[in-house]
Parts: sequence; structure tokens; C-alpha cells
Amino acid sequence: SQQGEEDPQALSIQEGENATMNCSYKTSINNLQWYRQNSGRGLVHLILIRSNEREKHSGRLRVTLDTSKKSSSLLITASRAADTASYFCATDAGTNAGKSTFGDGTTLTVKP
Amino acid sequence: DGGITQSPKYLFRKEGQNVTLSCEQNLNHDAMYWYRQDPGQGLRLIYYSQIVNDFQKGDIAEGYSVSREKKESFPLTVTSAQKNPTAFYLCASRPQGVGEQYFGPGTRLTVT
Repeated sequence: SQQGEEDPQALSIQEGENATMNCSYKTSINNLQWYRQNSGRGLVHLILIRSNEREKHSGRLRVTLDTSKKSSSLLITASRAADTASYFCATDAGTNAGKSTFGDGTTLTVKP
Repeated sequence: DGGITQSPKYLFRKEGQNVTLSCEQNLNHDAMYWYRQDPGQGLRLIYYSQIVNDFQKGDIAEGYSVSREKKESFPLTVTSAQKNPTAFYLCASRPQGVGEQYFGPGTRLTVT
């Protein structure tokens, strides 16, 4: 079964609005990563948050982590049409040293 | 110019033939990974390697084989035993077995 599950599966917003997507996982983790994938391309790493961190920022991205609820959220502020992509979370769990587990992703469409 | 490369970008094969996908990195990373992605889905781990001459099965290793004879290279062979080989294949690497992964551009394999 997937360690990470994203919610919602698809999100459509207007340019300038904020986009929030969520990730839930099942077991304890060392860290959680968010990636972006443009259609037909490889994944690009966005941000990593460690299990002892609660919030991280990078430009227009804000990631939160709640280990008690085993969940994370990715907020993209002031979205642009160029943010249209699929977004995936991945977890490095302490018991699975060496491998990450990816969720099924959220497809974000930002309309100009 | 450091990075991770996959070739070819598109690959077509007849059913019953083995095919090898190339993955090369010049990032001096110890760990390398192969993932399979089906349309609208997340990434599933096929095989991974944390060090030269060693590799482990992922979640969907049946019908696939790998080798890790050099640090820079981690080729994946899709054998005729793989029931549904048509998919998008992604290779990734990272310095150690934890943290941010660097992805190649992917190879889209079509078997008819």
C-alpha cells in the first residue's frame, strides 16, 4: 500500500489564488519531500522537511508537517499558470532505509 | 554540467523482446533508483542500489533486472516476463539513501 496519499487528486484554480494540497502517510518517517512533475517529464525536488520540523518556506512554497496526524501540506501562494503540474509527496521511513515511498499525486491546473 | 541522463526518450519494442533502459549520473551519488509510472499514477519502485555491486528489489521487481557495475550507471532491463511493460520509466539518484532525489527525464517504453 502507498505510504503517501495526496488529497485532492485534482485541483483547478485561477491565477493569483493560493493552492493547498495535502499528503497523509502511515508509518513514522525521517523526512518528507515534495516534488513537482510537468507532463511527460522527470520529477523536480521542491522542498524537504525533517520529522523534527513543523514548517518550512521556500519562495512561494510553504510546507507544514504534523507528525501526530501523519500529514503534511504544501501551500503555493499567488499561483501562476506556470505552476500547472502534478505534485507528489515522498517519505523516507526509518524502517525502509534507502528507499522513498511516493503518493499518487495532486494534479494542479492554474487558469490564466 | 552535472546531472542524470536517461536514454532513449522513447523506445518501441515488440512483445517477447528484452529491452535495456540506460541511466547515467555524474553527480557522484551512491544511491540510484528505478521507478515505473503509469498514466495518472504515482511512482512505484522497481529496484534500487545504495552502493556499487549491490542492489535490492523494490515493490514491483518481477519481470525486471538491473546491474550496478559502475557508480555512474544503473541500467534496467525489462524482460519478456514483465506482463505489462508499457509505461514511463524514471531513474533517480541521491548522495546517500535518504533525502532529496534527482530525477532523469524519463524513458517512455511502448511494447506492442
